Amino acid sequence: NAGVTQTPKFRILKIGQSMTLQCAQDMNHNYMYWYRQDPGMGLKLIYYSVGAGITDKGEVPNGYNVSRSTTEDFPLRLELAAPSQTSVYFCASSLDTSSYEQYFGPGTRLTVT
Amino acid sequence: GQNIDQPTEMTATEGAIVQINCTYQTSGFNGLFWYQQHAGEAPTFLSYNVLDGLEEKGRFSSFLSRSKGYSYLLLKELQMKDSASYLCAVRDSNYQLIWGAGTKLIIKP
Repeated sequence: NAGVTQTPKFRILKIGQSMTLQCAQDMNHNYMYWYRQDPGMGLKLIYYSVGAGITDKGEVPNGYNVSRSTTEDFPLRLELAAPSQTSVYFCASSLDTSSYEQYFGPGTRLTVT
Repeated sequence: GQNIDQPTEMTATEGAIVQINCTYQTSGFNGLFWYQQHAGEAPTFLSYNVLDGLEEKGRFSSFLSRSKGYSYLLLKELQMKDSASYLCAVRDSNYQLIWGAGTKLIIKP
């Protein structure tokens, strides 16, 4: 099993550009999550999904969009990049909401200038 | 609001014991988690507590007191590879994880 994979690892965007961060898992997990991690701050939940076709907002959803057309994939879309979106983005998955742990991907380091 | 507090940084000596504290105020409680995160890497799961008391797993133990909104992670026989950030997270009434900012642990020989 590859676990949770994310692409790209690094990306530099100009203000106003758009991009999609890819996330995939091969563990047949129902739940998937997108977090951002800023220096000195805890992980913040952007969006999450409880299954294919179902997504919901987390704590900091503004400026982002998601879709979940399959169990395996959960891409995160940035439409108009802003410097405030400079961060490390982690995708995670868990079997269900009562699971002990979330499995994290390696992260995408995004810089918006 | 929801809040999780843990020390920003701690230093300990190889072979020693260190205790990392975490206090929380959240809307509901459905478990407390500790994750380890090495610099530049993803968090990895260490422990889970939902009932009061101590959970031991090898060199690592985690304690929970729900009435005090308090947990600690105890690391014994410290090794250089334990140098990392340790993240405390609480699952709230909506079953979402609320994360602390993490404690950076520096191990000195």
